[in-house]
Amino acid sequence: AQKITQTQPGMFVQEKEAVTLDCTYDTSDPSYGLFWYKQPSSGEMIFLIYQGSYDQQNATEGRYSLNFQKARKSANLVISASQLGDSAMYFCAMKPRGSTLGRLYFGRGTQLTVWP
Amino acid sequence: DADVTQTPRNRITKTGKRIMLECSQTKGHDRMYWYRQDPGLGLRLIYYSFDVKDINKGEISDGYSVSRQAQAKFSLSLESAIPNQTALYFCATSDWGTNQPQHFGDGTRLSIL
Repeated sequence: AQKITQTQPGMFVQEKEAVTLDCTYDTSDPSYGLFWYKQPSSGEMIFLIYQGSYDQQNATEGRYSLNFQKARKSANLVISASQLGDSAMYFCAMKPRGSTLGRLYFGRGTQLTVWP
Repeated sequence: DADVTQTPRNRITKTGKRIMLECSQTKGHDRMYWYRQDPGLGLRLIYYSFDVKDINKGEISDGYSVSRQAQAKFSLSLESAIPNQTALYFCATSDWGTNQPQHFGDGTRLSIL
């Protein structure tokens, strides 16, 4: 069975500080992709970053980086230099290679609040 | 124009009514998905499709049906709406490959009274 766990329902960070959002996953498929999405209060889902299970280096996209620890089955999102506009819900998701039609499995999300 | 378009964006209706949510995409993707989002539960998959002849149930398909009218169009129907189907509904598309993200529409906020 595939499972994504985000243990932090809410996180708070001061502007300009870094914050880590936790994500652990479980799959028996040796090949998989890990994704993070941002959902601002307006509701849309915005793709942020991708990490492949065989990638040797952690993924980075601007201020976003993914702390990938394969042995621990964790894929934490790190946001550096937080901005007020980073306040949103963040979802971790996984796509096993054997997933039927590429379906994604989502965690329940972490609500991030950035304060001035 | 948005790559994945959902209509309507908001809908309020009454228990027992039939409702159709529509999704169209210009990304040329074969794979399309319908999700439902409830507070604290994340996104749950309702149905997904590879092409017009391929429809698959997700984890919460009861009470819903879908139609893939064309590669670019995927509709979700609630045959007889009930209040616990009040939620935010998303359509998404994807290209083939483990490294391909899903691309989401802006969502439909559905309220059933």
